[in-house]
Amino acid sequence: GAGVSQSPSNKVTEKGKDVELRCDPISGHTALYWYRQSLGQGLEFLIYFQGNSAPDKSGLPSDRFSAERTGGSVSTLTIQRTQQEDSAVYLCASSPSYHSYNEQFFGPGTRLTVL
Amino acid sequence: AQTVTQSQPEMSVQEAETVTLSCTYDTSENNYYLFWYKQPPSRQMILVIRQEAYKQQNATENRFSVNFQKAAKSFSLKISDSQLGDTAMYFCAFMSTTSGTYKYIFGTGTRLKVLA
Repeated sequence: GAGVSQSPSNKVTEKGKDVELRCDPISGHTALYWYRQSLGQGLEFLIYFQGNSAPDKSGLPSDRFSAERTGGSVSTLTIQRTQQEDSAVYLCASSPSYHSYNEQFFGPGTRLTVL
Repeated sequence: AQTVTQSQPEMSVQEAETVTLSCTYDTSENNYYLFWYKQPPSRQMILVIRQEAYKQQNATENRFSVNFQKAAKSFSLKISDSQLGDTAMYFCAFMSTTSGTYKYIFGTGTRLKVLA
């Protein structure tokens, strides 16, 4: 089947606006991860979902960031009142289960630019 | 906390030659997983190879192999017979088996350029 998809592929927004980034994982994958890739911070973990629950939100950088997952499938990462330091590529990955042996399959990412 | 270090920001290699990318990590755990991912300009991260820490034998996938030195906490990637399509960013990643999250901790990456 299809791989992990993310939309939009690119997003340009003005400082202070809210944005929503979407991730469609591989069908049947119960684990879903969000990572952020930025020049200054490299690749960093944001949040992990197992089904619709998020047992690990430790990577979310501030309370402006939130995420949800519905139906054990699609996930949305929301950034409120965007700041210039939020500019980065946001990557989503899914895995068949939370077992560590399983490879994470990545989407192509959303490049967010905050002006 | 675990950390992953890739000390080579950029490397280049001639086509058909062999190149080794370095990765070291820090952990107090005994059992964990290590991965190498490739990120071409398209941004899609692709798994290259993985290693379970409890296995002494080094993982091999076609032209890609690792040199896993558990005591030294080193996990280097060797690419043999380099091809132009190997040009990409390469990330080393650590995964704990005790955190319950199975998230990746990534190194900063090595940009590899294969020269014709």
